[in-house]
Amino acid sequence: DAGVIQSPRHEVTEMGQEVTLRCKPISGHDYLFWYRQTMMRGLELLIYFNNNVPIDDSGMPEDRFSAKMPNASFSTLKIQPSEPRDSAVYFCASSSWDTFQHFGDGTRLSIL
Amino acid sequence: GQQVMQIPQYQHVQEGEDFTTYCNSSTTLSNIQWYKQRPGGHPVFLIQLVKSGEVKKQKRLTFQFGEAKKNSSLHITATQTTDVGTYFCAEVGGNNRLAFGKGNQVVVIP
Repeated sequence: DAGVIQSPRHEVTEMGQEVTLRCKPISGHDYLFWYRQTMMRGLELLIYFNNNVPIDDSGMPEDRFSAKMPNASFSTLKIQPSEPRDSAVYFCASSSWDTFQHFGDGTRLSIL
Repeated sequence: GQQVMQIPQYQHVQEGEDFTTYCNSSTTLSNIQWYKQRPGGHPVFLIQLVKSGEVKKQKRLTFQFGEAKKNSSLHITATQTTDVGTYFCAEVGGNNRLAFGKGNQVVVIP
């Protein structure tokens, strides 16, 4: 059974460029979560969806960040324009209402 | 939202010894979950605690939920090199959202 799939695994880009991170949740899960992990701030919840609808985006740091979930099997997190302080590991996780969260392998993002 | 505090932040443990990591909250928690993240990996669910005073065991790991549901602990006996990683506790909120603590990074000394 495939787990949560994230792409790309690594991304290195120059500041000012648009970055798009992708996530495919586990089939049947109706919750999807985006997290950012840094040494300084730990694991932060950015936004989460229920049945493809954004429920809480209060963790999104700035307007440069946006997330979409056009269907039950795909979500994107976009940063435009990117800045060096956005460098982090970004995790996507999914769950059902009565299960724990399953995390993807993450995207290691470096903004130069 | 409310955040759980984890202590210690770092631990160096000799292989074969026991250690404990703690998770504290200033308010009552509904449920708490524990996750483990290996170096370079992603968080992996270990356990959920729901009831006051609950104790659950997984082989060498013992998880406890305090009587007042304001603290939790993870105790590992006979530490092995495979126990290296960061252990997170997380408060479970509405809609299955999690508020993670900062984690306890454990280094195992062979």
